[in-house]
Amino acid sequence: KQEVTQIPAALSVPEGENLVLNCSFTDSAIYNLQWFRQDPGKGLTSLLLIQSSQREQTSGRLNASLDKSSGRSTLYIAASQPGDSATYLCAPGGATNKLIFGTGTLLAVQP
Amino acid sequence: DAGITQSPRHKVTETGTPVTLRCHQTENHRYMYWYRQDPGHGLRLIHYSYGVKDTDKGEVSDGYSVSRSKTEDFLLTLESATSSQTSVYFCAISEPGDQPQHFGDGTRLSIL
Repeated sequence: KQEVTQIPAALSVPEGENLVLNCSFTDSAIYNLQWFRQDPGKGLTSLLLIQSSQREQTSGRLNASLDKSSGRSTLYIAASQPGDSATYLCAPGGATNKLIFGTGTLLAVQP
Repeated sequence: DAGITQSPRHKVTETGTPVTLRCHQTENHRYMYWYRQDPGHGLRLIHYSYGVKDTDKGEVSDGYSVSRSKTEDFLLTLESATSSQTSVYFCAISEPGDQPQHFGDGTRLSIL
């Protein structure tokens, strides 16, 4: 059974810092991995999807890497802003795009 | 958002009553999913559909049933609601292959 762990559970940083969020998973037989953000009381917004054959994916200030064999992914956020404050979730994907979610990292970026 | 509407957005009901949540999409995506989100557990898959009338169980399917008679609608039914089913329910859609899932805004369900 796939288990997903996200470290740290919570993180507070001053504006402008670069930061790294970590995700580990126990079953490396994944098709892809997605990163989402969730604002309080809202649904999830897809940030990046990395295919199992890819090593990384970039979108603006976000860069996600995937090391499938070791069961790890990282989300790098450059030059953090208060608007980046949210919960970040990673989710390895299997057949029929079924996702298994971690419990997330709660990020607070202080102005 | 990606053309996904969940209804109702909030519901309070009593133990033992039937409850149906609706997910409607305008994207014509083939796959649809129901998740529940609870503190300490994250999001867990309840049921999913890979086509009209094609559904399968997820991780936490006990006490839930689903139906999909049209591409655009995916219904989640709690036949006899229990307090343990108090949660926030999310619908998601995607296309086959390495395609991202897109989520609705959720339904907050309280069972007293």
